[in-house]
Amino acid sequence: NAGVTQTPKFQVLKTGQSMTLQCAQDMNHEYMSWYRQDPGMGLRLIHYSVGAGITDQGEVPNGYNVSRSTTEDFPLRLLSAAPSQTSVYFCASRGVPDTQYFGPGTRLTVL
Amino acid sequence: DAKTTQPTSMDCAEGRAANLPCNHSTISGNEYVYWYRQIHSQGPQYIIHGLKNNETNEMASLIITEDRKSSTLILPHATLRDTAVYYCIVRVHWVDNFNKFYFGSGTKLNVKP
Repeated sequence: NAGVTQTPKFQVLKTGQSMTLQCAQDMNHEYMSWYRQDPGMGLRLIHYSVGAGITDQGEVPNGYNVSRSTTEDFPLRLLSAAPSQTSVYFCASRGVPDTQYFGPGTRLTVL
Repeated sequence: DAKTTQPTSMDCAEGRAANLPCNHSTISGNEYVYWYRQIHSQGPQYIIHGLKNNETNEMASLIITEDRKSSTLILPHATLRDTAVYYCIVRVHWVDNFNKFYFGSGTKLNVKP
């Protein structure tokens, strides 16, 4: 039981490039979320999903896209990377009771 | 709008109890208080949660005041491995069946030998 896994661990992009951050969970959780964490701050919700085929926007969705074709996977796509998207990205899945399990994070730098 | 207020940092001697306070004066009646911690920028780790009553598990105790405007996380015997940023979080209903967790800036707990 690996829990929540994220790849890659580190990534450097140039402005304007696109990429996909991968997230997978093996706990059969319906709810999954993406957060970003900027230095010295708490986590902010980007997008979330309440089940396969269902996604919605969080607090800071601009510049990001998500899809949920399976229960296990919830990838986050950066459409055209900007320096303001330099951050640490965490994926989380939610079990019962309403407790979130976080992945190890992806550290993204946009030059 | 983080909905919670915590001290920026606290120190605690190893082996002593660590008491981490949190103010959530605008909390509503059906909103839960959660505590997570983050060690070395790893993914946040669940500690405990509660609504009205005090709660205890193998990691910590959570004391919620009767008016629910504040709470305290207690680590009974802090070790060096408990050095981390501790987040007090209010879980609110957002849309449909989705509850949002409001993360603030947290308290950096330094456990010292």
